[in-house]
Amino acid sequence: AQSVTQLDSHVSVSEGTPVLLRCNYSSSYSPSLFWYVQHPNKGLQLLLKYTSAATLVKGINGFEAEFKKSETSFHLTKPSAHMSDAAEYFCVVSEGRGYQKVTFGIGTKLQVIP
Amino acid sequence: GAGVSQSPSNKVTEKGKDVELRCDPISGHTALYWYRQSLGQGLEFLIYFQGNSAPDKSGLPSDRFSAERTGGSVSTLTIQRTQQEDSAVYLCASSLGTGGGNQPQHFGDGTRLSIL
Repeated sequence: AQSVTQLDSHVSVSEGTPVLLRCNYSSSYSPSLFWYVQHPNKGLQLLLKYTSAATLVKGINGFEAEFKKSETSFHLTKPSAHMSDAAEYFCVVSEGRGYQKVTFGIGTKLQVIP
Repeated sequence: GAGVSQSPSNKVTEKGKDVELRCDPISGHTALYWYRQSLGQGLEFLIYFQGNSAPDKSGLPSDRFSAERTGGSVSTLTIQRTQQEDSAVYLCASSLGTGGGNQPQHFGDGTRLSIL
């Protein structure tokens, strides 16, 4: 069975400061992991994905995430927050065997303060 | 089209009426998913299609909910005898679905359903 836990429901940062959104997962197999972003009244957009290649994954808009198997974590980071980063972020795990059932975290709302 | 298209974008209807929500996936994507997103909640999986068949319907909340997909393309989610708790945003996603779980899903903007 697989599960994903987003440790913070809300995160607030000042513009220009680093962003850290935390995600822990559990999986019986080698997982694929994703981060998606959802802006208001929009669907989810893929930020980045990990699929057993490099453990440090770079995504769009300056975001990156590091897969740490020993910590079962896949935290999302960005060195400097921009106002346009304010949105909801979802961590997603898939066990990647046959039918790709995925499990979504409950989401983290990122607020960026000017 | 370039992305996943959902229609209508907004739907307001009276309790007890039936509604149909439509999803046009990205051309060539064989996998299609429906999710429900309620206010303040994460995404709730409803159903998965591979081609025209639905190997996983485990998320449909009741027998009032059904979905079909024709021609390996367009999908329709139907809710019969709508209830107020059905009010939510219904999201559709598609992916290449070539096997394994490493294919990202591409989402439409959703249909916001409000039951009066």
